[in-house]
Amino acid sequence: EAQVTQNPRYLITVTGKKLTVTCSQNMNHEYMSWYRQDPGLGLRQIYYSMNVEVTDKGDVPEGYKVSRKEKRNFPLILESPSPNQTSLYFCASRGGAQGTQYFGPGTRLTVL
Amino acid sequence: SQQGEEDPQALSIQEGENATMNCSYKTSINNLQWYRQNSGRGLVHLILIRSNEREKHSGRLRVTLDTSKKSSSLLITASRAADTASYFCATVAPLYTGANSKLTFGKGITLSVRP
Repeated sequence: EAQVTQNPRYLITVTGKKLTVTCSQNMNHEYMSWYRQDPGLGLRQIYYSMNVEVTDKGDVPEGYKVSRKEKRNFPLILESPSPNQTSLYFCASRGGAQGTQYFGPGTRLTVL
Repeated sequence: SQQGEEDPQALSIQEGENATMNCSYKTSINNLQWYRQNSGRGLVHLILIRSNEREKHSGRLRVTLDTSKKSSSLLITASRAADTASYFCATVAPLYTGANSKLTFGKGITLSVRP
């Protein structure tokens, strides 16, 4: 089954404690993205990757890092989380530049 | 920057009625897509319409695109309680703009279908 998986699905952590949210897709897609969703603000792109070792900033990259060492994986790293990063996070992948996007189930992060 | 703006923000209808949702955008597009999100879950792709298309159908869904007005509408016919969800339009800029092929989302429409 074609899918994008994220882990963990729920995470409560404290300010400053480094964390990684993993994302994996099994569709051999080149394009992957991370979004955050906040009430009243919709979905905003954090980072994206056009292919292995090619990543770039989206609209709200501050406080986040990503890496793309393999085509299937695109982890999101919060080196020093802060409460304003409490949000619902989605990973997504797309086969072509102009195609449809497949979303993971989301990771609900709370930073205390 | 937000590209798609959906209208209305919230819509409540009776089961069996049709639901019409609108999306306006500001700049040229390669295509426009509609997604559905059930509460707290991932977005699910519904339909994609390219800039050279005017109308597409998929089951009970009908999407129109008017590039001269920079607007799109999503019609769900014979709605069901299971259609209750948030609906988002998203646009993809043309390749020549170099806009990283980003999918830019609106803030969404909350649809409630009463049984």
